[in-house]
Amino acid sequence: GENVEQHPSTLSVQEGDSAVIKCTYSDSASNYFPWYKQELGKRPQLIIDIRSNVGEKKDQRIAVTLNKTAKHFSLHITETQPEDSAVYFCAASPPGAGSYQLTFGKGTKLSVIP
Amino acid sequence: ETGVTQTPRHLVMGMTNKKSLKCEQHLGHNAMYWYKQSAKKPLELMFVYSLEERVENNSVPSRFSPECPNSSHLFLHLHTLQPEDSALYLCASSPNGARDEQFFGPGTRLTVL
Repeated sequence: GENVEQHPSTLSVQEGDSAVIKCTYSDSASNYFPWYKQELGKRPQLIIDIRSNVGEKKDQRIAVTLNKTAKHFSLHITETQPEDSAVYFCAASPPGAGSYQLTFGKGTKLSVIP
Repeated sequence: ETGVTQTPRHLVMGMTNKKSLKCEQHLGHNAMYWYKQSAKKPLELMFVYSLEERVENNSVPSRFSPECPNSSHLFLHLHTLQPEDSALYLCASSPNGARDEQFFGPGTRLTVL
């Protein structure tokens, strides 16, 4: 089955700096890669996702890049703000119209220092 | 409010108890999921139901028993649990499969004594 590794496990940045979180996956057939944000005591929420037919996707201050050859994808947050502090999870999903499997990484705790 | 609710929010039970977790979604989604979230571990997919049919069962011990009576409700029946089963149990739903956005409930914090 799929295995997703996520690094780093914790990350502290100064407000206004950029943050980068990296994930690698093992199943070369996986073709959907979402990122979820979980604030303390709250439920995970999707912030951005990318499918394997594109190499980069942006949404305001966040972006995700995908390198299919190397089997890794990254989350980039620019101009970080205190409200970006949360645990971020990457995930990968194998192909197949009926696939229900979503394999998550262990998460990265991001702290943005004011 | 994401439209996915879970009850109870907190549950403390002994190893010999039987209890049930409930999840409800009013988003019109076809797929519902149970995840286990433990400290320093990835979110672990336990069960998936699509249109009330179980489509995934990730080698979960039989002391966890899911039930999906209709597309809006999902239960997780618990019996003879172990202390290592203490965790946050999250329910989620999505329009169809895993490549749609999953909407999570607030979770049930379970403690097994």
